[in-house]
Amino acid sequence: GAGVSQTPSNKVTEKGKYVELRCDPISGHTALYWYRQSLGQGPEFLIYFQGTGAADDSGLPNDRFFAVRPEGSVSTLKIQRTERGDSAVYLCASSPLSGVDEQFFGPGTRLTVL
Amino acid sequence: KNQVEQSPQSLIILEGKNCTLQCNYTVSPFSNLRWYKQDTGRGPVSLTIMTFSENTKSNGRYTATLDADTKQSSLHITASQLSDSASYICVVSARTNTDKLIFGTGTRLQVFP
Repeated sequence: GAGVSQTPSNKVTEKGKYVELRCDPISGHTALYWYRQSLGQGPEFLIYFQGTGAADDSGLPNDRFFAVRPEGSVSTLKIQRTERGDSAVYLCASSPLSGVDEQFFGPGTRLTVL
Repeated sequence: KNQVEQSPQSLIILEGKNCTLQCNYTVSPFSNLRWYKQDTGRGPVSLTIMTFSENTKSNGRYTATLDADTKQSSLHITASQLSDSASYICVVSARTNTDKLIFGTGTRLQVFP
């Protein structure tokens, strides 16, 4: 079956621009996570959705970052007024019910802010 | 502060050899510990998940151990193959209402022929 997919695979943008990153979780998975991974580092938690609601958004670095999951399936991570420090790989993961289940990761979106 | 530390940072071995990667954590309250394999340019893939009561768990040539008293874990890779070249990330889940994962920085393993 299809795994977690993310689009685009690569995104290059200029400082100050707005970007949207999309995540398609595994069908039927109610939990969805966004992580950010800088070069040579492990992923850092950003936000966790249980269904349509954000159960934990404590990892979002500031109010330029926002994520939605309006129908409890596809999620979009939105970044306003991008900064060079936002450059990283943004990973999405889903799991059947909650975090105690195995999380299945997508391939990530590499964001480069020039 | 909840932290996960891994050693070594990088490791080079010859094909066919064994190796052991280490993980120390200071996560409380502890829920479970996972080892992930991450190939370059790909998302992490789960190798093992261990709860507090489990001391060891195997997945093919990968064997993970957990000592919850000393808060240490290891991942042993037997008879390494070229395809084992990847980053191996230790991840600890804190037992909160959202079971947040805390990731280590990984060990970068390179297997040479």
